[in-house]
Amino acid sequence: NAGVMQNPRHLVRRRGQEARLRCSPVKGHSHVYWYRQLPEEGLKFMVYLQKENIIDESGMPKERFSAEFPKEGPSILRIQQVVRGDSAAYFCASSPGQGYGATEAFFGQGTRLTVV
Amino acid sequence: AQSVAQPEDQVNVAEGNPLTVKCTYSVSGNPYLFWYVQYPNRGLQFLLKYITGDNLVKGSYGFEAEFNKSQTSFHLKKPSALVSDSALYFCAVRVVYSSASKIIFGSGTRLSIRP
Repeated sequence: NAGVMQNPRHLVRRRGQEARLRCSPVKGHSHVYWYRQLPEEGLKFMVYLQKENIIDESGMPKERFSAEFPKEGPSILRIQQVVRGDSAAYFCASSPGQGYGATEAFFGQGTRLTVV
Repeated sequence: AQSVAQPEDQVNVAEGNPLTVKCTYSVSGNPYLFWYVQYPNRGLQFLLKYITGDNLVKGSYGFEAEFNKSQTSFHLKKPSALVSDSALYFCAVRVVYSSASKIIFGSGTRLSIRP
């Protein structure tokens, strides 16, 4: 009974490098959400994806950040040219398809990104 | 704008006493409301949800929440707190729009239970 799997759990990048965060949703879930949590703060919505489609990216910074959820394989959150302010915990969540608005989202353990 | 608010950053309760963590929401249409708990360096764990029906919802670890439509609130409660309940608690609402939905979280309330 695998839940949402995120890897890596911890990621250290130097300024200017790229960070790639992976998320495998619960089996059978077709909706994926990414959130960012700064230390001692709440979760900020970043992006909502369905298979091969970005549904809502209103919380995603316009530059350097991108996300995808391909037909096969995990969802990827990519941060290019990282800066110290990108250091945070990034959480992925998944839920079943549309029509299940009443269903809770299931969260992964998060990837803690540290930019040095 | 659709939103959820947790007015208290921190709640301190003595072990054995009842606890309440407050949440208010603002959504159009019927709300789908959730409570999650986060332990240090962990992801979020689902506690309970309100969709429809009985205003008092029971969830995991002895927690319950009361939906109050007139006050647009969904406060989390537990009759007798345990030290192990100390954690960060998030209220959330699922926003359903034309072709999709997303979950919006409150800012979180840190619950501290003293022995």
